[in-house]
Amino acid sequence: EAQVTQNPRYLITVTGKKLTVTCSQNMNHEYMSWYRQDPGLGLRQIYYSMNVEVTDKGDVPEGYKVSRKEKRNFPLILESPSPNQTSLYFCASSTLRDAYEQYFGPGTRLTVT
Amino acid sequence: GDSVTQMEGPVTLSEEAFLTINCTYTATGYPSLFWYVQYPGEGLQLLLKATKADDKGSNKGFEATYRKETTSFHLEKGSVQVSDSAVYFCALSGNSNYQLIWGAGTKLIIKP
Repeated sequence: EAQVTQNPRYLITVTGKKLTVTCSQNMNHEYMSWYRQDPGLGLRQIYYSMNVEVTDKGDVPEGYKVSRKEKRNFPLILESPSPNQTSLYFCASSTLRDAYEQYFGPGTRLTVT
Repeated sequence: GDSVTQMEGPVTLSEEAFLTINCTYTATGYPSLFWYVQYPGEGLQLLLKATKADDKGSNKGFEATYRKETTSFHLEKGSVQVSDSAVYFCALSGNSNYQLIWGAGTKLIIKP
């Protein structure tokens, strides 16, 4: 089954404790992206990647890091989480040919206290 | 810059009612337009799209027409079901880096 998986689905952590949210897709997609969803703000892009070892900032990259060492994986790293990073996070992937037709993971709800 | 404005929700309707969710946009150039749907507890999924003016996208009984003269892409369905309860996002293709520009989302609640 074609899918994007994220782990964990729920995470409660404390300020400053490094964490990683994993994202994996099995569709051989070139393009992968991370979004955060906050009430009333829609989705805002954090980082994206057009292929292995090619990543770039989206609209709200501060406080986040990503890497793309393999085509299928695109982890999101919070080196020192803060309460304003409490949010619902989505990973998405697509082909470059149809980059706007994205497949989304189920989401990770992160709470930073 | 480019932007998308959606009607505020929640929108509450009875089953079999007619649905319209308004979406207007501001964009330079000729973007493609999209509706995505997010069912409770799930990620977003593409519902329909239109790539040029006067195109009509349709899927699962939903329709939306790309109106360049009114810069709109309103979502419609003739008879909604309880299973249509979800959050609906309007989006347009940005100018760079395959970025989607998103509306804030409209929550739809259908009562039996």
